[in-house]
Amino acid sequence: AQSVSQHNHHVILSEAASLELGCNYSYGGTVNLFWYVQYPGQHLQLLLKYFSGDPLVKGIKGFEAEFIKSKFSFNLRKPSVQWSDTAEYFCAVNPLYNTDKLIFGTGTRLQVFP
Amino acid sequence: GAVVSQHPSRVICKSGTSVKIECRSLDFQATTMFWYRQFPKQSLMLMATSNEGSKATYEQGVEKDKFLINHASLTLSTLTVTSAHPEDSSFYICSARKYFGPGTRLLVL
Repeated sequence: AQSVSQHNHHVILSEAASLELGCNYSYGGTVNLFWYVQYPGQHLQLLLKYFSGDPLVKGIKGFEAEFIKSKFSFNLRKPSVQWSDTAEYFCAVNPLYNTDKLIFGTGTRLQVFP
Repeated sequence: GAVVSQHPSRVICKSGTSVKIECRSLDFQATTMFWYRQFPKQSLMLMATSNEGSKATYEQGVEKDKFLINHASLTLSTLTVTSAHPEDSSFYICSARKYFGPGTRLLVL
């Protein structure tokens, strides 16, 4: 079945540590890829997105993600996390046969301690 | 930038009553809007696609008679939870053009 997988359910880091959150999808066709962040008590915000072109995309707040087509992956990275990065992170896929429909991964809860 | 609003932000109702949630695109038109449900500490589950001028498309396992969707205009979609039960308590989020509303927290007593 078509799905989006986030293998890291809960990640705990100290400030300044590097972050990588995994995201894999199982759609065979062309897709658009997204990472959303949900800070405590707030709504979803778009962190970054990949449509085409350079597979390394840069988003807000120092985040970046790399699309590796052969691995069906779109991992999120940040070289040095901050306490304010504590949030829930969701990977999402937009199968291009449906222009705006998003399929979400299960989410990764990131806790950053000072 | 594009903004999506939802009303109400929180609602508490008695079991058996119906609750209507509005989703509005504030500075753009959306022929399609999406309704998601998010359980505590879980991901968003797509419930249905709201289509302006036509019937909504429901995901497998979502009861269309339970969750009524009306896309009245190019900027408004409504989700009505009919005969609500405690298990319907959840966080309901709408989206348009990949922008998300702030969500509506429903508590059914």
